[in-house]
Amino acid sequence: SQQGEEDPQALSIQEGENATMNCSYKTSINNLQWYRQNSGRGLVHLILIRSNEREKHSGRLRVTLDTSKKSSSLLITASRAADTASYFCATPLIMYSGGGADGLTFGKGTHLIIQP
Amino acid sequence: KAGVTQTPRYLIKTRGQQVTLSCSPISGHRSVSWYQQTPGQGLQFLFEYFSETQRNKGNFPGRFSGRQFSNSRSEMNVSTLELGDSALYLCASSLATGSYEQYFGPGTRLTVT
Repeated sequence: SQQGEEDPQALSIQEGENATMNCSYKTSINNLQWYRQNSGRGLVHLILIRSNEREKHSGRLRVTLDTSKKSSSLLITASRAADTASYFCATPLIMYSGGGADGLTFGKGTHLIIQP
Repeated sequence: KAGVTQTPRYLIKTRGQQVTLSCSPISGHRSVSWYQQTPGQGLQFLFEYFSETQRNKGNFPGRFSGRQFSNSRSEMNVSTLELGDSALYLCASSLATGSYEQYFGPGTRLTVT
């Protein structure tokens, strides 16, 4: 079963605007990751945020994590046409008491369309 | 460094046949995971291999199997194909097991007719 759930399912904005997408998950995690997928291709890792971090930046990306609400958000600033893609959050599938985990579980994704 | 490679990229098979997909991880990566992506179910974890051992398997029937070789390359096999097995199969490698960031290959698009 899927742990993460992205919202909205689809988002269409103008180039240059900011895009925000959210992810909610169900159980405790030690980290959360965001991936991007361009039309039917492989996924590209964007950012990993650990459970003891609240915010992380990478270029035009900003990710927040609120473990009390079991939610994360991905903000893309100054969007470009090349940002058109599906965005997925991923959480560990199985976590072990020692801190390790095996596999990732993904949400259904947010499909982002950047209009020129 | 070369990325994760998957072969073949596209495959058309008939119901009842079997298929083997191959994945070569990034050099130095010892963990390989496989995922199935369909429009209906989304991305689902199939299995993970580390040092030639299957660490974990998702909720898939026994028709789905895999293995990892000493050079970390991995194969997955699906026997007695069903129409519902049509999907994009993605392989991902990471430095070690433990939900580290994963690097995905371009996928193999399998169509079962």
